Amino acid sequence: SQQGEEDPQALSIQEGENATMNCSYKTSINNLQWYRQNSGRGLVHLILIRSNEREKHSGRLRVTLDTSKKSSSLLITASRAADTASYFCATVLSAMIYNQGGKLIFGQGTELSVKP
Amino acid sequence: EAQVTQNPRYLITVTGKKLTVTCSQNMNHEYMSWYRQDPGLGLRQIYYSMNVEVTDKGDVPEGYKVSRKEKRNFPLILESPSPNQTSLYFCASTSDREVFPGSPLHFGNGTRLTVT
Repeated sequence: SQQGEEDPQALSIQEGENATMNCSYKTSINNLQWYRQNSGRGLVHLILIRSNEREKHSGRLRVTLDTSKKSSSLLITASRAADTASYFCATVLSAMIYNQGGKLIFGQGTELSVKP
Repeated sequence: EAQVTQNPRYLITVTGKKLTVTCSQNMNHEYMSWYRQDPGLGLRQIYYSMNVEVTDKGDVPEGYKVSRKEKRNFPLILESPSPNQTSLYFCASTSDREVFPGSPLHFGNGTRLTVT
C-alpha cells in the first residue's frame, strides 16, 4: 500500500447525514493534512493536524489522528450538497521534514457525493 | 484576493510543439511547486522551488523544465510535449518551507493539457 491511502474510494450519502473518510499511512509523520477538490479544480486546504495532536475541529469538520494505528479520519457533519467533492489526505514524513521543504505525499482520494 | 493563477486553463497542442504554462502567486510565498494529476496515479510532484533561483526535481521531472527568476512566477515549460504528458497540471505555493516545513499548499485552478 502507498503512504496515504484513503478509504473508501467513493462514498454516497444523503444531505444531512455525516460523512466519514479514513486515511492510513505507513511511516512516521510530522503532520497530516486534508484537502478538498471540486471536480477539475484546484485542491483547497481544509485542516492540518500535527503528530502530537489527536483531534482538531474546523466548523463542520472534525479530524482525528491515531499515530499508533497510523491512521486519520475526516468527519463532515450535517453534510450538504455543496460538500460533494474529492477529499485527499496528504502526509509530511518525519524523515523528510527538512528534506525538500517537507514534501507532501498525497493519497488517491475519496469521492464524496452528497445527494439533496 | 490571495491566489495562485495559472494560464491557460485548457490547452490542446501537438507533439513536439514547445509550450509554457504560467503560474503566478500574489502571497509573497517563497515555495512553489508543480504537480500533475492523473487517474489512478494521484498527484505527483514535477518540480519545486524553495526560493528565487532555487529549483529542484520532484518525482516526475522528465520532459519538463522550470525557472524561478522572480518570487511570484514559476512557469512550467514543455520543450517537446508528448502524448504521455496529457494531464491536469497544478501549480501550488506556500510560505517559507525552511521556516515552516510541510506547510499547507495553496493551489491554482489547474491547466488541462492535451497533447495529440
